[in-house]
Amino acid sequence: EAGVAQSPRYKIIEKRQSVAFWCNPISGHATLYWYQQILGQGPKLLIQFQNNGVVDDSQLPKDRFSAERLKGVDSTLKIQPAKLEDSAVYLCASSPSGQGTYEQYFGPGTRLTVT
Amino acid sequence: SQQGEEDPQALSIQEGENATMNCSYKTSINNLQWYRQNSGRGLVHLILIRSNEREKHSGRLRVTLDTSKKSSSLLITASRAADTASYFCATPDGDAGGTSYGKLTFGQGTILTVHP
Repeated sequence: EAGVAQSPRYKIIEKRQSVAFWCNPISGHATLYWYQQILGQGPKLLIQFQNNGVVDDSQLPKDRFSAERLKGVDSTLKIQPAKLEDSAVYLCASSPSGQGTYEQYFGPGTRLTVT
Repeated sequence: SQQGEEDPQALSIQEGENATMNCSYKTSINNLQWYRQNSGRGLVHLILIRSNEREKHSGRLRVTLDTSKKSSSLLITASRAADTASYFCATPDGDAGGTSYGKLTFGQGTILTVHP
């Protein structure tokens, strides 16, 4: 079974620039998550999709972050404009079902550096 | 929202020794999960323990859950250098996770270093 794919793996941008991350979840997984992990901290959920609908985006800084999951499969997360404090690893995860809690499968992440 | 807090923040041991990490959380849950993160394999699910379970084993891992104390522990027996990683506990949000669609809150993690 192929795992969660993410690209790019690394990205360096200057502040005020924009950046986009892509995620392809495990085939058949209905739920997709985007997390932000700042160095030395645990992952923090940014947004959660159930199929192509948003379930939770309460911690997404909506003035600069946006995400979509077209057709309930792939997803993109965008930051525009980026700030220095956005430097972090952005993790995508998927899980097989909806209600209830199941283990999440994580991609390798995208390490973003904002200079 | 719930938050697991791991203790200790860092742990350094020799190969062959046991490693114990603890997690405390704030409100009722219906399960608790442990994850491991290292540079080689990213963040990987280790074990899920449900609120009606007190102990669960998986290979060299033993997880306990004490819902009365709102705490969990992860024991790694006979540790190996390859166990060097950060370990996170994660708890579900919402009404004990029943209708939360799987939202998890992660703790800050315990950094485990196993010296060969």
